[in-house]
Amino acid sequence: AQTVTQSQPEMSVQEAETVTLSCTYDTSESNYYLFWYKQPPSRQMILVIRQEAYKQQNATENRFSVNFQKAAKSFSLKISDSQLGDTAMYFCAFSRNYKLTFGKGTLLTVNP
Amino acid sequence: GAVVSQHPSRVICKSGTSVKIECRSLDFQATTMFWYRQFPKKSLMLMATSNEGSKATYEQGVEKDKFLINHASLTLSTLTVTSAHPEDSSFYICSVSEGSRPAADTQYFGPGTRLTVL
Repeated sequence: AQTVTQSQPEMSVQEAETVTLSCTYDTSESNYYLFWYKQPPSRQMILVIRQEAYKQQNATENRFSVNFQKAAKSFSLKISDSQLGDTAMYFCAFSRNYKLTFGKGTLLTVNP
Repeated sequence: GAVVSQHPSRVICKSGTSVKIECRSLDFQATTMFWYRQFPKKSLMLMATSNEGSKATYEQGVEKDKFLINHASLTLSTLTVTSAHPEDSSFYICSVSEGSRPAADTQYFGPGTRLTVL
């Protein structure tokens, strides 16, 4: 079974600064997907970024980028120019055959 | 990404009654939908995978007779919590998979339903 570990239960960052959220996973599979989802206080789960394991290039979406290290089974999320609206719970997730396994989440607070 | 709705957003019921939650895929036909449960300040726990026209696949430990799932059409899946008890109080979230699209493994989530059983 796959496991996803987020070692930072809570983090905080000042507005406009950069923050990196950590995620490691364990799998014996070679083909899979990795995701970061955010869950703001509204509790709506929002897709932030997706990475296909067969792609070496790190995914980017505007201010969000990942550092995907397949051999190390590491998948960190970098948020640049943090905004107050980025305050949320961030979940790292692993997917294989359409089944998502989530980490326990990191609560990120962006301070003004 | 896909747009998913859930109804109701919030429901309060008495112990022993049944509650139905609807999940709709608004902008594409979803052959596969998923149901999750989330306790306060916890991660999402997959309850079952709902396949259109066939029986749902339940995760280990989830009572299929208590959590009835029906996926009658390509845009609608329902979760019925039967004979609800206070321990069933939780936040229930559905999602849809992009299926055969290039981003097949990507799931998009509904806004969730908060169930409170008195």
